[in-house]
Amino acid sequence: ETGVTQSPTHLIKTRGQQVTLRCSSQSGHNTVSWYQQALGQGPQFIFQYYREEENGRGNFPPRFSGLQFPNYSSELNVNALELDDSALYLCASSQRTGRDEKLFFGSGTQLSVL
Amino acid sequence: SQQGEEDPQALSIQEGENATMNCSYKTSINNLQWYRQNSGRGLVHLILIRSNEREKHSGRLRVTLDTSKKSSSLLITASRAADTASYFCATVMTGGGNKLTFGTGTQLKVEL
Repeated sequence: ETGVTQSPTHLIKTRGQQVTLRCSSQSGHNTVSWYQQALGQGPQFIFQYYREEENGRGNFPPRFSGLQFPNYSSELNVNALELDDSALYLCASSQRTGRDEKLFFGSGTQLSVL
Repeated sequence: SQQGEEDPQALSIQEGENATMNCSYKTSINNLQWYRQNSGRGLVHLILIRSNEREKHSGRLRVTLDTSKKSSSLLITASRAADTASYFCATVMTGGGNKLTFGTGTQLKVEL
């Protein structure tokens, strides 16, 4: 158990819809990162939030957006869903140390877009 | 995009044997980490090796890093059925903050 919880665990949406995924960080962690993992692939970095500000973004379009709240929990929002958005979405929390940070991952949200 | 490749893509061994997985990457790194994933769920951090380190041990795990060849290996000794999982290497690139760039993973199956 990492102490990072994600909800929901599974979600089915149709193309064009919008979705919000949620993540509660491990206690004491101030940084949240989101990753997308397509079937059979390694996770890919979407973006990171540190103290409620976006702090780095991967190669994802603007329809992928996020928030981090004062309690360091986070949301990932995806607008205008496409079939290729079907994937496992992983949230990871960490405590910003400046080097050698270890990430603690949640169990993920499996999103299916039909 | 993926940072690197892992080799082999899949590995099947008998319980008690050793398992070796290799990872190659493309750019200068601050550190390299190995993660384990069971059945497509969350990843669990196994071990971190810094760019100035060559070898690190943790229990039955041994990691090596060769920055001149941009490669790393993970050795699991005396494997158990419970080690069956996917294993990913992930790099933190120089100047990349703490963003992880993952490889493609090795699926390990340990049979009784």
